[in-house]
Amino acid sequence: DIVMTQSPDSLAVSLGERATINCKSSQSVLYSSNNKNYLAWYQQKLGQPPRLLIYWASTRESGVPDRFSGSESGTDFTLTISSLQAEDAAVYYCQQYYSTPITFGQGTRLEI
Amino acid sequence: VQLVESGGGLVQPGGSLRLSCAASGFTFSDHHMEWVRQAPGKGLEWVGRSGDKGNSYTTEYAASVKGRFTISRDDSKNLLYLQMNSLKSEDTAVYYCSRGIWEWGQGTLVTVSS
Repeated sequence: DIVMTQSPDSLAVSLGERATINCKSSQSVLYSSNNKNYLAWYQQKLGQPPRLLIYWASTRESGVPDRFSGSESGTDFTLTISSLQAEDAAVYYCQQYYSTPITFGQGTRLEI
Repeated sequence: VQLVESGGGLVQPGGSLRLSCAASGFTFSDHHMEWVRQAPGKGLEWVGRSGDKGNSYTTEYAASVKGRFTISRDDSKNLLYLQMNSLKSEDTAVYYCSRGIWEWGQGTLVTVSS
């Protein structure tokens, strides 16, 4: 199984500042035929289902504010939220969908 | 796209329950569907998948549920099912269905307790 490890487990960032969440996969999630990393980022607010923010490691889902961005370097992935807003308080998860079992990071709680 | 889960509730250890997921807004048969669960206060855990028509509806399961849970679908009714047998207390969770990575339902709570 591919293990996804997020860091930090929680962080507190001020309004208008930048938040960075890291995710590392235990093995490559890069599909060589299309050169895409099968890595997604989700936001989950209390009492709600997860919401897809980023797929292919760096492609923003439609309707997601452009302050959310994803980057990749080998098996290291980063979700950056620039200029934090109050509504960004949530738990964020990375997920690999390269192979089954699909696996998630443990989550990062973001406090404003 | 809309996904609506139902069928959750309280069940005793060793009991069974069948969850349903009603899908609309897309061509159901063209998409693989997932079940994902979240224990109270915990993270997300993939339960299993129903492949799409092109994938011959192949099903796959997490090791923690294999042999106890069965995923099926009825494309004529746009319904996805999760049959859960031999339930354990550690199966207590909100169960979500999702269309691949894209959209998720609101979830249905399953509580396994005596």
